[in-house]
Amino acid sequence: GAGVSQSPSNKVTEKGKDVELRCDPISGHTALYWYRQSLGQGLEFLIYFQGNSAPDKSGLPSDRFSAERTGGSVSTLTIQRTQQEDSAVYLCASSKRELNEQYFGPGTRLTVT
Amino acid sequence: TQLLEQSPQFLSIQEGENLTVYCNSSSVFSSLQWYRQEPGEGPVLLVTVVTGGEVKKLKRLTFQFGDARKDSSLHITAAQPGDTGLYLCAGVKAAGNKLTFGGGTRVLVKP
Repeated sequence: GAGVSQSPSNKVTEKGKDVELRCDPISGHTALYWYRQSLGQGLEFLIYFQGNSAPDKSGLPSDRFSAERTGGSVSTLTIQRTQQEDSAVYLCASSKRELNEQYFGPGTRLTVT
Repeated sequence: TQLLEQSPQFLSIQEGENLTVYCNSSSVFSSLQWYRQEPGEGPVLLVTVVTGGEVKKLKRLTFQFGDARKDSSLHITAAQPGDTGLYLCAGVKAAGNKLTFGGGTRVLVKP
């Protein structure tokens, strides 16, 4: 079956522009997570959605970052007024239930020039 | 300071050698996972350990969860070039609700 997909795979944007990153989780997975990974480093938690519960936004680094999940499926991470320090790989993962094995997408590499 | 500290940060060895990667914390975890990530891809789960003192083997990989559930190790026997990648540990704190990842250990196995 299809795994987690993310688009675009690469995004280059100018400082100050807004970007939207998309994640299509595995069908039937109720939990969806966004992480940020700087070059070769570990994963920084950003936000997670679990079913119809309010999302845990505790990892979002600033109010320029927001995310939504429509219909319990596709999620979009939006970064407004991008800064150079936002450059990183943004990874999305989904799992059948909270804290179960997470299946990761290939990530979106964001470069802010 | 990260909640989960991995060491070493980078390890370069020759094919056939053994290696151990450590994941340490001052916090207690209800479970701990190990992932491997290859360039341009997302991490892939290798194993989950949940019981203090637990040892799990996956072919040439041996995973151990500390008795106090604060630390874990990954040992690879007779490493092969295909073992090259970024190894990440991730834990769920007792009474917690999300995974926290360590900073990763980059392993390079040279033929």
